[in-house]
Amino acid sequence: AQTVTQSQPEMSVQEAETVTLSCTYDTSESDYYLFWYKQPPSRQMILVIRQEAYKQQNATENRFSVNFQKAAKSFSLKISDSQLGDAAMYFCAYRGSYNDMRFGAGTRLTVKP
Amino acid sequence: DTAVSQTPKYLVTQMGNDKSIKCEQNLGHDTMYWYKQDSKKFLKIMFSYNNKELIINETVPNRFSPKSPDKAHLNLHINSLELGDSAVYFCASSQESLAGDNEQFFGPGTRLTVL
Repeated sequence: AQTVTQSQPEMSVQEAETVTLSCTYDTSESDYYLFWYKQPPSRQMILVIRQEAYKQQNATENRFSVNFQKAAKSFSLKISDSQLGDAAMYFCAYRGSYNDMRFGAGTRLTVKP
Repeated sequence: DTAVSQTPKYLVTQMGNDKSIKCEQNLGHDTMYWYKQDSKKFLKIMFSYNNKELIINETVPNRFSPKSPDKAHLNLHINSLELGDSAVYFCASSQESLAGDNEQFFGPGTRLTVL
């Protein structure tokens, strides 16, 4: 079974600074997809960024980027120029060949003004 | 337009009751899901369903059953509700593709409270 681990239950960052959220996963598959979802207090799950395992280049979406280390099975999320609206729970997720998503336990990010 | 909608958003009920949560998606997706998010925010998949197969997470009690009247709907029925069923339930949908990069779109969640 695939497992996803987020070792940081809580993180905080100063507004305009950079923060990195860590995620590791365990799998025996070679083709899979990794995602970061954001869940603000509204509860809505919002896709932040995704990475295909066969791509070596790290995905980026504006201020959000990932550091994907396939051999180490690591998939961290970097948020640059943090904004107050970035405060939320962040979930790392894995999707393999069976089309179901496995989520990590989440990291609560606080942004300090 | 709401892509994935759920009703109701809040549901408070007594232990032992039977209840349903409805989910509809207008994205034309062929696969739908139900997730449970517990009080510690842990998200766990319960079911995934398309017109080919229903995949059930083996840890889900058989009091929970998905019902799909058509491709755009996947409702969740819960019988004999228990206190431990209190959680937020999320519906999601995606379009299966050969590329496999099918993003899941989530509904707003239904907060179920069992008294």
